[in-house]
Amino acid sequence: TQLLEQSPQFLSIQEGENLTVYCNSSSVFSSLQWYRQEPGEGPVLLVTVVTGGEVKKLKRLTFQFGDARKDSSLHITAAQPGDTGLYLCAGGGHKLSFGAGTTVTVRA
Amino acid sequence: DTGVSQDPRHKITKRGQNVTFRCDPISEHNRLYWYRQTLGQGPEFLTYFQNEAQLEKSRLLSDRFSAERPKGSFSTLEIQRTEQGDSAMYLCASSFPFSTDTQYFGPGTRLTVL
Repeated sequence: TQLLEQSPQFLSIQEGENLTVYCNSSSVFSSLQWYRQEPGEGPVLLVTVVTGGEVKKLKRLTFQFGDARKDSSLHITAAQPGDTGLYLCAGGGHKLSFGAGTTVTVRA
Repeated sequence: DTGVSQDPRHKITKRGQNVTFRCDPISEHNRLYWYRQTLGQGPEFLTYFQNEAQLEKSRLLSDRFSAERPKGSFSTLEIQRTEQGDSAMYLCASSFPFSTDTQYFGPGTRLTVL
């Protein structure tokens, strides 16, 4: 099983601040996915990164895949209360391995 | 395209009862996956299908669990003789052919075993 570690476990910030969430592994992944999950709902796909060093932007969210394809980060600029949720990274092909997630709370 | 759907959304049952959950994938997706998620953890892989064939099962899937996808469309996950430890969110996902890494999840079924 390829293990993914996410940090921090919890993050609480004020609206308008920036935040970064990390996803690390000792294994190489062919691709990594980032999901956001709200309480009582399934994970919603945000992005898939496939190339080492790749940077993808989705509005105020910036995703980076490490050069060695072992780590990834998610940066949110000017966070809004609507960004509140559990952020999960996952990788591993058909048998996805997930990190435990980072719970992000954005206070108005 | 309405996305992946799951039914029921919530199920409360007594220990020892059998329960069955249904998943309808995105229509053009031929791969379907089941995961289980407990509080404070990310989802854990249970099993997956390509069309009607069940290709892999996790060791988490004990003998009390069975999954089917008889016509290669919807799938069911049955748990027999439920135990309190089975309480979790059961998630279904599907993916395009040849794109197994990008899976789209349904809203999940929350199971509570009393």
